[in-house]
Amino acid sequence: GEDVEQSLFLSVREGDSSVINCTYTDSSSTYLYWYKQEPGAGLQLLTYIFSNMDMKQDQRLTVLLNKKDKHLSLRIADTQTGDSAIYFCAETARNTGGFKTIFGAGTRLFVKA
Amino acid sequence: KAGVTQTPRYLIKTRGQQVTLSCSPISGHRSVSWYQQTPGQGLQFLFEYFSETQRNKGNFPGRFSGRQFSNSRSEMNVSTLELGDSALYLCASSGGPAETQYFGPGTRLLVL
Repeated sequence: GEDVEQSLFLSVREGDSSVINCTYTDSSSTYLYWYKQEPGAGLQLLTYIFSNMDMKQDQRLTVLLNKKDKHLSLRIADTQTGDSAIYFCAETARNTGGFKTIFGAGTRLFVKA
Repeated sequence: KAGVTQTPRYLIKTRGQQVTLSCSPISGHRSVSWYQQTPGQGLQFLFEYFSETQRNKGNFPGRFSGRQFSNSRSEMNVSTLELGDSALYLCASSGGPAETQYFGPGTRLLVL
């Protein structure tokens, strides 16, 4: 079945790099996403990667995709206290009803000053 | 473009009542999805509407229903509220080649 798994917590020091990992099961995934959720807010789309790409860099964010292992990671360089939030990994695949998006449970990132 | 808007932002109801939440998608988006988020269960998919038709559905009881209007605005309704329905209800509108989802700020529902 379809599933997206993430570790629940990650704690880093301010200025260090954070790496949040995700595994997915649907090999027909077309896009893979990272969303950020701050307390009391909705999910903010951070970045995405198309399934035929290996890497995407966007300022402090680097997304790596290992399609063979169905592994996705998000690296945040020079992590700041404002990066403390929940990060959701998601995959989208086409099905008979259009596109279906599956979300992971989210990784809570704690940034220590 | 304006983002996804949800109304109301906060709501307090009592058990047994019913509630209607509203979502206005990004202009041009035809798909609207609804999610329930609780600390214990995480983000759970309720249903998705596309061009006024329910296209996908999650595993929620029939007390949860929705609809979409011709202008793509969507409403979800929960009847006979239970304490466990207290949650953040998120709406997402989808557009683009892979129907990327863009979320609204959510409606926080508290059932007493």
